[in-house]
Amino acid sequence: GAVVSQHPSWVICKSGTSVKIECRSLDFQATTMFWYRQFPKQSLMLMATSNEGSKATYEQGVEKDKFLINHASLTLSTLTVTSAHPEDSSFYICSAKGRGAGGYFDEQFFGPGTRLTVL
Amino acid sequence: AQSVTQPDIHITVSEGASLELRCNYSYGATPYLFWYVQSPGQGLQLLLKYFSGDTLVQGIKGFEAEFKRSQSSFNLRKPSVHWSDAAEYFCAVGGNQAGTALIFGKGTTLSVSS
Repeated sequence: GAVVSQHPSWVICKSGTSVKIECRSLDFQATTMFWYRQFPKQSLMLMATSNEGSKATYEQGVEKDKFLINHASLTLSTLTVTSAHPEDSSFYICSAKGRGAGGYFDEQFFGPGTRLTVL
Repeated sequence: AQSVTQPDIHITVSEGASLELRCNYSYGATPYLFWYVQSPGQGLQLLLKYFSGDTLVQGIKGFEAEFKRSQSSFNLRKPSVHWSDAAEYFCAVGGNQAGTALIFGKGTTLSVSS
């Protein structure tokens, strides 16, 4: 299967600072990337969908000015949490869907997640 | 509305016993169905998926799931549970369009007793 990486795997920051999380597709072209958030003991909630070269589409209730998503290339999407606050502490997971050498994948592939703790 | 329901929040089974985790979905188009497992602090691992064809699908680690369209269900089963199977299990549904995200159920926590 295809591989998606995330960096960093965990980050601790002070309240008010910004944090950037990278999501990379290592061996395929990710035409669409998704960002999910997971609070402890809860399910994954979709935050936004981004297509390469286009603006991200945010789910209702997700502040686009706070969670900046950039999908500038077919292998990289970034999520920047601006002016982070303790309530933004969560597990952020990206996934990617796209095409490999054999054509388009039917499924999306998940990164390992990034644990964000805001003090 | 599109949704996934996992009725069981927490299940405990004895090691060696059989397991069935329930999943019901509501989806307007042809559903693509998935089961993922997540260990504490870890990402998601795909157990199995159903796109079309044979309604009984085999996955990794001895898991299988059966798609029943009439019941809108996609239950996960394993004949003999191992202690290492203790984890959080998520059922998800999505479509086949490129921009379609997955909708996840709330998850079922599996505990395995000795």
